[in-house]
Amino acid sequence: QVQLQESGPGLVKPSQTLSLTCTVSDGSISSGTYYWSWIRQPAGKGLEWIGRIFSSGTTNYNPSLKSRVTMSVDTSKNQFSLKLSSVTAADTAVYYCARGSTPYYYYGMDVWGQGTTVIVSS
Amino acid sequence: DIQLTQSPSFLSASVGDRVTITCRASQGISSYLAWYQQKPGKAPKLLIYAASTLQSGVPSRFSGSGSGTEFTLTISSLQPEDFATYYCQQLDTYPPFGPGTKVDIK
Repeated sequence: QVQLQESGPGLVKPSQTLSLTCTVSDGSISSGTYYWSWIRQPAGKGLEWIGRIFSSGTTNYNPSLKSRVTMSVDTSKNQFSLKLSSVTAADTAVYYCARGSTPYYYYGMDVWGQGTTVIVSS
Repeated sequence: DIQLTQSPSFLSASVGDRVTITCRASQGISSYLAWYQQKPGKAPKLLIYAASTLQSGVPSRFSGSGSGTEFTLTISSLQPEDFATYYCQQLDTYPPFGPGTKVDIK
């Protein structure tokens, strides 16, 4: 059963870049059957979709975050990553990575990481 | 951009009740909709995809219906483990989530 695990700093200073990695276990990130997403959730609030990346490298980003987001895949490490630049306190949230199946418009995201808390503070 | 609304935002119900949650899209999204359940401190869990297809392993008391702009998630007989927050998500190019519906114990 494939598992996802987020990792990265739990504290980021304002204006810096938030960097998170999601490690995929017991499954190949290179499979064209899946895409890989990031979602976040501020404390006590709803889910916000950040973006997704396909094994081809194609990305789709939330328009409201697009100017600050970069996603990438490292097939050699079976990982995918999120970089969010120029962070502010509003970026404080639990960040989840998740797997979705293709075609993306048909299937939802069926495997999720446990989430990692990122606090933006000086 | 497509916006999703959910109603109600909060629902108080008893074990055994039939519960229906509605998700509306600001424009037609065919059947490109998923439903998730989230419990406190946990990651969301996929319940339904393609508006009405039950994800493997999800109890049959959960069902989804709808297409276009209006969708429903129904729990036929609410169980203690179903008290949670439910989110819809449209699955198109930039897939936002709905604001969520919290189902609480009456």
